Amino acid sequence: DSGVTQTPKHLITATGQRVTLRCSPRSGDLSVYWYQQSLDQGLQFLIQYYNGEERAKGNILERFSAQQFPDLHSELNLSSLELGDSALYFCASSVTYRDEQYFGPGTRLTVT
Amino acid sequence: GQQVMQIPQYQHVQEGEDFTTYCNSSTTLSNIQWYKQRPGGHPVFLIQLVKSGEVKKQKRLTFQFGEAKKNSSLHITATQTTDVGTYFCALFSNQAGTALIFGKGTTLSVSS
Repeated sequence: DSGVTQTPKHLITATGQRVTLRCSPRSGDLSVYWYQQSLDQGLQFLIQYYNGEERAKGNILERFSAQQFPDLHSELNLSSLELGDSALYFCASSVTYRDEQYFGPGTRLTVT
Repeated sequence: GQQVMQIPQYQHVQEGEDFTTYCNSSTTLSNIQWYKQRPGGHPVFLIQLVKSGEVKKQKRLTFQFGEAKKNSSLHITATQTTDVGTYFCALFSNQAGTALIFGKGTTLSVSS
């Protein structure tokens, strides 16, 4: 158990819908990262927040957005979902940045 | 942007054989991290290498950072079935970046 929690574990939804994935970092960690893992693309960095502020952005689609709240939990919002958005979404946290990252168990999103 | 090549993509060994995965970058790295993901699990941090020529050991695992800091390797001696999984190297997007770029990973299978 890494100490990072993610909800829900599984999500099945239809194309065009919007979903919210939630992440609670390890106690004391200020940085939260979101990754998308699919079979053909590997582990892709989406976005990073540090102490409530966006710190780095990867290949995140405009249909996706995220935020980190004052209690440091984070949410990833995915809208206008397409079949290709089906993937495992991981959240990770670290104390600051450029530290080792601790991954949550992931949310498996299936878009039908 | 920063890219990392990891080889081989797949490796199957008999239990007791050695295994090595390699990570190559086109640019000089500030540091490199290694993660392991078990089937159905999430990535777990193994180690971070920072110094040129650095060699670190964790039981049967030996991690090496190249002299030029452009490549790294992970060697497992006498593999066991518990070593099964995908091994990823990861590096920061640039000298000041905080986004981790993951290699495609090497998936290791072990037969007993």
